[in-house]
This record gives sequence, C-alpha cells and structure tokens, in this order.
Amino acid sequence: AQSVAQPEDQVKVAEGNPLTVKCTYSVSGNPYLFWYVQYPNRGLQFLLKYITGDNLVKGSYGFEAEFNKSQTSFHLKKPSALVSDSALYFCAVRRARGSTLGRLYFGRGTQLTVWP
Amino acid sequence: DSGVTQTPKHLITATGQRVTLRCSPRSGDLSVYWYQQSLDQGLQFLIQYYNGEERAKGNILERFSAQQFPDLHSELNLSSLELGDSALYFCASSGGEEGNTIYFGEGSWLTVV
Repeated sequence: AQSVAQPEDQVKVAEGNPLTVKCTYSVSGNPYLFWYVQYPNRGLQFLLKYITGDNLVKGSYGFEAEFNKSQTSFHLKKPSALVSDSALYFCAVRRARGSTLGRLYFGRGTQLTVWP
Repeated sequence: DSGVTQTPKHLITATGQRVTLRCSPRSGDLSVYWYQQSLDQGLQFLIQYYNGEERAKGNILERFSAQQFPDLHSELNLSSLELGDSALYFCASSGGEEGNTIYFGEGSWLTVV
C-alpha cells in the first residue's frame, strides 16, 4: 500500500530563516513525489514534483525539495521564509507503475506559520 | 489559476437532499479525479475517470456517484446527504503522459444542515 507521512502538524519559523517541511513515503516500486500548498479558502496549488533525475528539485516561489531514496523522504525546503508562505502544505506520492497510476496519496498536511 | 473549474463554489443544503458538483478539467486533460477534504479525514480520494471510463475507486460512499461525459467534464452526485458529508470537494485533472502533474480546482464547499 502507498502512504505518506508528514510527521509535523505544525511548523513555525521566523521570516528570513530557512524552513523545512518533512515528508516520508511508502510505495511499492519507484515513486513520483509532489508538494502542494493550500492557502485559506483556496484550492491545492502545485509547487513541485520529483519524477526522475536530479534529487534536488526546484519549484515555485523559491521552494525546493530533496528526494532521498534510502530514507524514503522528500522534504520541502526554502532558504529564506516569507510571511506570505504561511499556508497548509501537502506531500503526495503516486506509484510510477501499476493499476492505480495517476492517483495521488496525500499526507495529512503541515501548517506552516512564518512570523514577522 | 490551475485551469480546472468547479461549480458551485459554495452550497448549503439540508440532510436527505441530493446535490451535483460539476467540474471542467484543464483543456486537453483526459483524467479527472475527485477528492474530499474534511478536518477529520484529511484529503480522501474518491474516484478517477479517464476519457469517460472509471479508472480507480477510492473511499467513495454508495450514496455518491460520478461520471465523465464525452466533452470530458465530470459531475459528482451526492445523495441522501448527511451532516458528515459537509466538506470541501476537489476536482483535479491531468494529462495522459507519464509523470504528469495533477492540477486541482478551487473546490466546492458543501455544507449540510
């Protein structure tokens, strides 16, 4: 079975500091990994994805994520946080092959708060 | 703007009623997905259609049904509504290529009173 764990319900950082939102996954076979962000009363916005290739993936709004196959992790990072980054972040995984191709499995989400 | 359009944005209805949520996928996307987001259950996958055919089924209740039409738009029908069905319902779409991104609409807020 496929699953995603986001071990922290909340992450709080000061503006200008680096931020990390953690994600670990479990999937049979190779994974496709995604990060989405949800602002209050809004839909899910795609941030970045890992399909293959370089383990460090760069995405929207200065975010990046590092794929670590041995640790089955895909942590989201940003060198310098902004107050406007405050939102709910979701990690998701999809099997690269199989009958459930296309479906995303989501973590529970991590609420990021960046204070001024 | 993701290109996925959902209507209505907000809906309030009474228990026992039936509602239909509508989704227009991004231009050219053949796959449509429905997800339910609630505080206690998080993001739950309901169902996926690909080019009009049901592709995968998740935690969708028997009171719920969906379909994808020839023009690729999709509808999610929720019947015999209960208070616990109050949630944000997302539609998402993607193309058919490997490793494609799934893009989400803004969601339809359903409140059952």
